[in-house]
Amino acid sequence: EIVLTQSPATLSLSPGERATLSCRASQSVNSYLAWYQQKPGQAPRLLIYDASNRATGTPARFSGSGSGTDFTLTISSLEPEDFAVYYCQQRSDWPLTFGGGTKVEIK
Amino acid sequence: QMQLQESGPGLVKPSQTLSLTCTVSGGSISTGGYYWSWIRQHPGKGLEWIGYIFDTGGTYYNPSLKSRVVIAADSSKNQFSLKLTSVTAADTAVYYCARDEDAFDIWGQGTLVTVSS
Repeated sequence: EIVLTQSPATLSLSPGERATLSCRASQSVNSYLAWYQQKPGQAPRLLIYDASNRATGTPARFSGSGSGTDFTLTISSLEPEDFAVYYCQQRSDWPLTFGGGTKVEIK
Repeated sequence: QMQLQESGPGLVKPSQTLSLTCTVSGGSISTGGYYWSWIRQHPGKGLEWIGYIFDTGGTYYNPSLKSRVVIAADSSKNQFSLKLTSVTAADTAVYYCARDEDAFDIWGQGTLVTVSS
């Protein structure tokens, strides 16, 4: 099973600041990595797929990069609605797995 | 626009079978190229993929649950379902159904299932 490790667990930032979230895979997942945003009481929402492709409706301030084992989700300038938990997920191998999440909280 | 909606009992007794249905609207589950998944989230925890069914009817399950899981589809009702047998308190979670096309792009709202006597 491919293990995805997200860091940091919590990121405390102010609106307008840049957020950089990391996801590291225990073995290569090529570019088969997605990022999701989850707010309390809601289902996750797809932001990025295949490492760097924005999903329909994802604002341009969200960008994904990386390949192999190291991936980054960047939010260029945090808006109030961006404070949430973010998960990465790989589809390179079964079983599909998720990272443990990074909580982006208001500083 | 496609929507997914989970339904089923919110309370299941230990050792019994958890049964959930996902009803798909705005599109057909028989359309090629999609995988129809179940994912769960334990209270306050991360996400765990349970398994999926392909448009052809094939399935793949998470090995950690494989011995207890069956996912099936009913194209006439445009639904797919989850059965999880011999449940324990550790199966208490929010259960989501989702469509997978390169990633989980459409999710249901989720349904909380509590395992308790």
